[in-house]
Amino acid sequence: DGGITQSPKYLFRKEGQNVTLSCEQNLNHDAMYWYRQDPGQGLRLIYYSQIVNDFQKGDIAEGYSVSREKKESFPLTVTSAQKNPTAFYLCASSSGTGELFFGEGSRLTVL
Amino acid sequence: QQQVKQSPQSLIVQKGGISIINCAYENTAFDYFPWYQQFPGKGPALLIAIRPDVSEKKEGRFTISFNKSAKQFSLHIMDSQPGDSATYFCAAKSGAGSYQLTFGKGTKLSVIP
Repeated sequence: DGGITQSPKYLFRKEGQNVTLSCEQNLNHDAMYWYRQDPGQGLRLIYYSQIVNDFQKGDIAEGYSVSREKKESFPLTVTSAQKNPTAFYLCASSSGTGELFFGEGSRLTVL
Repeated sequence: QQQVKQSPQSLIVQKGGISIINCAYENTAFDYFPWYQQFPGKGPALLIAIRPDVSEKKEGRFTISFNKSAKQFSLHIMDSQPGDSATYFCAAKSGAGSYQLTFGKGTKLSVIP
């Protein structure tokens, strides 16, 4: 089955710790994205990548980092510099037609 | 800067009724307007989409109406069912070669029996 796999589904972090969220796709899509979802805020773009070894900041990139070493993988690191990291994180991919395919999300809670 | 404004924030509709969600945009370079449906704890999934060269697109009970001059588009759900209860997001993509979608803030729809 083709799709987007995000892991872990739930993650707890202590303040001051970095955490990495995994995103893997087997759709052969060039573009991958990370969105943050908060209640009433919609989907806000953190980072996106259109090709391997290249990525761009979205609207709320501060406190986050990404890498794109393989076409299939686009991990997101939430660093200790992110002041309010508790949120639902969504990874997506696209072939460029406009349609985004989303994973099932990772819920991060800071204790 | 919110480029896609979505309303209402929440909507309660009786079973069998019509649900209507509206979006407005400012960027005339937008050329693709999708609607996404999201159930609790899941990622959004594409529901229906339209390009600005048509004024309406229908898929089953779901219809997008598009008004290019007013820079508005809306989602109509006919014969709304409890299973339609979800959060709906409108979005827009600008120009050829752009890979980015700009999302509205979402509408939480509750369909009551």
